[in-house]
Amino acid sequence: GAGVSQSPSNKVTEKGKDVELRCDPISGHTALYWYRQSLGQGLEFLIYFQGNSAPDKSGLPSDRFSAERTGGSVSTLTIQRTQQEDSAVYLCASSLSPAAYEQYFGPGTRLTVT
Amino acid sequence: GENVEQHPSTLSVQEGDSAVIKCTYSDSASNYFPWYKQELGKRPQLIIDIRSNVGEKKDQRIAVTLNKTAKHFSLHITETQPEDSAVYFCAAREGGGGADGLTFGKGTHLIIQP
Repeated sequence: GAGVSQSPSNKVTEKGKDVELRCDPISGHTALYWYRQSLGQGLEFLIYFQGNSAPDKSGLPSDRFSAERTGGSVSTLTIQRTQQEDSAVYLCASSLSPAAYEQYFGPGTRLTVT
Repeated sequence: GENVEQHPSTLSVQEGDSAVIKCTYSDSASNYFPWYKQELGKRPQLIIDIRSNVGEKKDQRIAVTLNKTAKHFSLHITETQPEDSAVYFCAAREGGGGADGLTFGKGTHLIIQP
């Protein structure tokens, strides 16, 4: 079946602009995760959704970052007033449920802030 | 929170030899330890995982061992092949439906020399 998809695959934006990144999880997966991968680094956990609810937003790097999920499916990660340090690959993952251990990743969105 | 250390950062082995990558974690409550393989420009792919109720798990040429007392786990790849060349990430998570995502190590760049 279809895996996790993300759009856009690449996004170049000017410093100070807002961007919106989209994630479509695997159909039927109720848990959804956002991660950030800076160049040559590991993955940094940002936020997790169970259904449409995000129990803990403390992993978001700053108040310029927000995320939402509607209909228990698609999620968007919004970065306001982008800064150069926001440049990274943003990865989304989903799992069957919060109690399910395996997480499956999307291809990511490469964000470049100029 | 959890902290995962991974080493080495780069590992070069001759084709056919074995490769071992090691990780340590800090949170004794963590009970799920996956390994991901990431090829250049691609999404992380789950290759093997282990839960805290077992000490070793094998899947063909890949094995993972876990020492809960010492809080470390390792990935073993035998009979390495050119297609094993990639960056490998270990991760840890407090399982059972917690609101935390995976905490990743910084990755090991595995190079298989022909």
